[in-house]
Amino acid sequence: QQQVKQSPQSLIVQKGGISIINCAYENTAFDYFPWYQQFPGKGPALLIAIRPDVSEKKEGRFTISFNKSAKQFSLHIMDSQPGDSATYFCAGEDSNYQLIWGAGTKLIIKP
Amino acid sequence: NAGVTQTPKFRVLKTGQSMTLLCAQDMNHEYMYWYRQDPGMGLRLIHYSVGEGTTAKGEVPDGYNVSRLKKQNFLLGLESAAPSQTSVYFCASSYWGEGLDTGELFFGEGSRLTVL
Repeated sequence: QQQVKQSPQSLIVQKGGISIINCAYENTAFDYFPWYQQFPGKGPALLIAIRPDVSEKKEGRFTISFNKSAKQFSLHIMDSQPGDSATYFCAGEDSNYQLIWGAGTKLIIKP
Repeated sequence: NAGVTQTPKFRVLKTGQSMTLLCAQDMNHEYMYWYRQDPGMGLRLIHYSVGEGTTAKGEVPDGYNVSRLKKQNFLLGLESAAPSQTSVYFCASSYWGEGLDTGELFFGEGSRLTVL
């Protein structure tokens, strides 16, 4: 199975709070897991990515946590800001170097 | 530096009409992709190209054709549009392919197509 299951579909977080988006995959051949951020009317842009040889990667307020045994990974946004309001996509890269995408999470940060 | 440029940004077609979406990138990337984005379904790969003169099918290729005559351009064609092809289409390019070296896709701003 090639699927990447992403949850929740939508998320509302207060400014300053922590936003958490989860993804689960089935294909154990996946070896690269990026997160993309998409603002309305724009194309997605790479936010942060991880390979399965590490359990966590942090870039500023954004952290990926990776659990290889559970085949799950998550995006944590600390101190969430209204400017973080966007749709977030997780993905897994298969052995043919193609990305299999999650369905997306629409994040709204309330001021 | 324009990055990835898609034209047109919006188009309305009647069922059975044909059209071509143009994608141009100025980053000298080898790999180019066409995706469609539908609500609740994420991004689905239609076709891709690993270099000038090459094309390959993605996850949802039926009803679409592509051409990569020049390295910087990737064209997506609909020969006989159907309402099921109403979607937002994104072109992307990458260096050395997804996951290699930079592992980053650079996307255009999308082309919204409505088929009546």
